[in-house]
Amino acid sequence: GAGVSQSPSNKVTEKGKDVELRCDPISGHTALYWYRQSLGQGLEFLIYFQGNSAPDKSGLPSDRFSAERTGGSVSTLTIQRTQQEDSAVYLCASSNSGQETQYFGPGTRLLVL
Amino acid sequence: AQSVTQPDIHITVSEGASLELRCNYSYGATPYLFWYVQSPGQGLQLLLKYFSGDTLVQGIKGFEAEFKRSQSSFNLRKPSVHWSDAAEYFCAVAFLQGAQKLVFGQGTRLTINP
Repeated sequence: GAGVSQSPSNKVTEKGKDVELRCDPISGHTALYWYRQSLGQGLEFLIYFQGNSAPDKSGLPSDRFSAERTGGSVSTLTIQRTQQEDSAVYLCASSNSGQETQYFGPGTRLLVL
Repeated sequence: AQSVTQPDIHITVSEGASLELRCNYSYGATPYLFWYVQSPGQGLQLLLKYFSGDTLVQGIKGFEAEFKRSQSSFNLRKPSVHWSDAAEYFCAVAFLQGAQKLVFGQGTRLTINP
């Protein structure tokens, strides 16, 4: 079946603008995760959804970052007033119930100028 | 705090040679353990995982890994590498409780010499 998809694949924005990143998980997967991959910090966890609720937001780096999930499926990660240090690859993963293997999407490469 | 260490940032091996990538973790109990591979510009692909049971696990593309509780290690091995194995390899652990978010090592970049 179809894997995790993310859009856009690349995004270039100007400092101070808001961006939205989208993740479509594998159909039927109840758990969804966002991670960030950057040169300085490696791969780091941002937020976890179980269904539409987010019981773990501990990785969000500031209040400029938010995420939501609707219908237990699609998730959107929003970054407000982007800064240059937000430049990174944002990866989404999904799993069945959060107790099993996470499957990753191809990522969105964000560049803030 | 839980952590994952991959001591080797970059490894170069010749095609056909054997490979071992090291991974050590720090955690209060046995976590779930994973190896992922990332080719340039791609997402993460799962190579193999350990949850419980047999400590030697087989994965895709001819890879295997061995969990050693006494050493808190989960090293990845392949008997004979192919040029297509050139990529970045990440070891990861997941907490047994709660969100089971992954904690990643810093990655090992593998270069294959012809």
